[in-house]
Amino acid sequence: SQTIHQWPATLVQPVGSPLSLECTVEGTSNPNLYWYRQAAGRGLQLLFYSVGIGQISSEVPQNLSASRPQDRQFILSSKKLLLSDSGFYLCACLPRAGTGVPYEQYFGPGTRLTVT
Amino acid sequence: GDSVTQMEGPVTLSEEAFLTINCTYTATGYPSLFWYVQYPGEGLQLLLKATKADDKGSNKGFEATYRKETTSFHLEKGSVQVSDSAVYFCALSDTGANSKLTFGKGITLSVRP
Repeated sequence: SQTIHQWPATLVQPVGSPLSLECTVEGTSNPNLYWYRQAAGRGLQLLFYSVGIGQISSEVPQNLSASRPQDRQFILSSKKLLLSDSGFYLCACLPRAGTGVPYEQYFGPGTRLTVT
Repeated sequence: GDSVTQMEGPVTLSEEAFLTINCTYTATGYPSLFWYVQYPGEGLQLLLKATKADDKGSNKGFEATYRKETTSFHLEKGSVQVSDSAVYFCALSDTGANSKLTFGKGITLSVRP
């Protein structure tokens, strides 16, 4: 079964500083990968998804970016953080068709980011 | 575009009370529907799912039926426990190759002993 690792678990960063959050996946190959943000009172918002190495689709305009340098590695970055970037960031994985429950995404434990 | 609407929260119940959390959706095509649960400080876990009309998903005493005619997927449990205290998210997935999830805002459930 799939296991998703995220680090760090918590992070406090000043406004204007850079950001790098990492997500790695075990137990599947060539999955779809997703970054979500959970802000207080706003549910979960899809930020980016990737269907393969180097393939990134952005869902909302923002000062964040994503990269997928390896099949099972997904990175969320920013050059300069804003206060509004605070939230709980979740990485998710959709196994390749035929290797799991159809359309079920598996989630990592999340990273709590506080921008001060 | 696709959207999911959940009832407003939070919800506070006594142990062994009956639970209903409403969820309605708007989507083109025939989405799959999910309930995810988030326990304090953790990521999301799939609670149950339904992939076509009239399917009933069930797990841990929770149930939800995919109602195409009312575009709803309400979550129910006959007798809640303190351990059910969590945030519950209704979600739909398009059935395209990218399978993006659209979530409702989530509702916090607190169960008192």
